[in-house]
Amino acid sequence: QQQVRQSPQSLTVWEGGTTVLTCSYEDSTFNYFPWYQQFPGEGPALLISILSVSDKKEDGRFTTFFNKREKKLSLHIIDSQPGDSATYFCAANSNYQLIWGSGTKLIIKP
Amino acid sequence: DTTVKQNPRYKLARVGKPVNLICSQTMNHDTMYWYQKKPNQAPKLLLFYYDKILNREADTFEKFQSSRPNNSFCSLYIGSAGLEYSAMYLCASSSFWGNTGQLYFGEGSKLTVL
Repeated sequence: QQQVRQSPQSLTVWEGGTTVLTCSYEDSTFNYFPWYQQFPGEGPALLISILSVSDKKEDGRFTTFFNKREKKLSLHIIDSQPGDSATYFCAANSNYQLIWGSGTKLIIKP
Repeated sequence: DTTVKQNPRYKLARVGKPVNLICSQTMNHDTMYWYQKKPNQAPKLLLFYYDKILNREADTFEKFQSSRPNNSFCSLYIGSAGLEYSAMYLCASSSFWGNTGQLYFGEGSKLTVL
């Protein structure tokens, strides 16, 4: 089934803490998983992505993990900052398009 | 310059009236997409152009029309708006046809149908 489930729907984390967002999927043919970040009033922008041949990709404070066996991926933000407050979408490729999760609204409290 | 622009940013429409949303990109991307985004739902792909070839999703085939007069511009047309069309409409472009190219989004056009 071509669906990507994302959780939680919303999340509040204290500044300096570690944020963990998760997604799961069913279709084993998915092999590319991007995360998009969207600030209020703006369109989503690519944050980080991972291919299914990898299990981890890091970019500064952001790390995405991929678990092929469990069909899960996650986004970890260490030392979370108020500027990280945004909505985060995970997605997975399928034929000619991306299948999107419903997003997680993240609030980082000072 | 990675810029995708959408107009209008906000649109108020009456039920039964037409709506036309415009998108432009300056990156010479061959593919342009239109998504519908409702609160707490995943973005839903409505249609996309690869060059001049229009691909529309089966479940929205009759609800949305589009044109791409040149590489830079793409429109989304609703012939008769219903309440269910109220949503954010996101335009995106990419330089790869397919599913692993980075999408560049505009700021969105928020449509409210009354």
